[in-house]
Amino acid sequence: DIQMTQSPTSVSASVGDTVTIHCRASQDINNWLAWYQQKPGKVPKLLITTASNVQYGVPSRFSGSGSGTDFSLTINSLQPEDFATYYCQQANTFPLLSFGGGTRVEIK
Amino acid sequence: EVRLVESGGGLVQPGGSLRLSCAVSGLTFSSYWMSWVRQAPGKGLEWVANIKQDGSEKNYVDSVRGRFSISRDNAKNLLFLEMNNLRDEDTAVYYCASGSYFLDNWGQGSLVTVSS
Repeated sequence: DIQMTQSPTSVSASVGDTVTIHCRASQDINNWLAWYQQKPGKVPKLLITTASNVQYGVPSRFSGSGSGTDFSLTINSLQPEDFATYYCQQANTFPLLSFGGGTRVEIK
Repeated sequence: EVRLVESGGGLVQPGGSLRLSCAVSGLTFSSYWMSWVRQAPGKGLEWVANIKQDGSEKNYVDSVRGRFSISRDNAKNLLFLEMNNLRDEDTAVYYCASGSYFLDNWGQGSLVTVSS
């Protein structure tokens, strides 16, 4: 099984800050990685696929990078609506899928 | 507009059974892999199971294999999750989601509580 480890588990930031969240796979997953955003009490939303492909309608301040085992999600100029929990998900072992543990972005 | 609506959740005793349904509209249901993903209270997302477009392939996370069964009715645009021998640790909100490698549409979730 591939384990997905996110860091940090939480981060405090202010509006306007740049935040970077990391996701590490226990083995090479090429670029089969997605990022999701989940706001409290809401449904997860797909932000990025194949490590860096930002989904239609997602603000350009969101970007993803990485390949192999190390990936990151960067949010530039953090906005109030960006405070949420972010999850990575690997699909290298499709049809078996797995998520990281999540990173909570909190208001400082 | 794509809509996924789960139903069938509730309170069940340990060892009991429950069947979740997910009604899908706004997309060609028979063209999509479908998944169930769960989220225990205050915890992260856990992929549970998925099923191929024609139902010929079904996959499960180890913790539910042999107890849960995923199925679909393409004529009625319905996805199901049959859950047997439920355990306390199965308590969670269960989401249905469309997509193969990545899950691009999600339902609002159905809460399953396993407790005596």
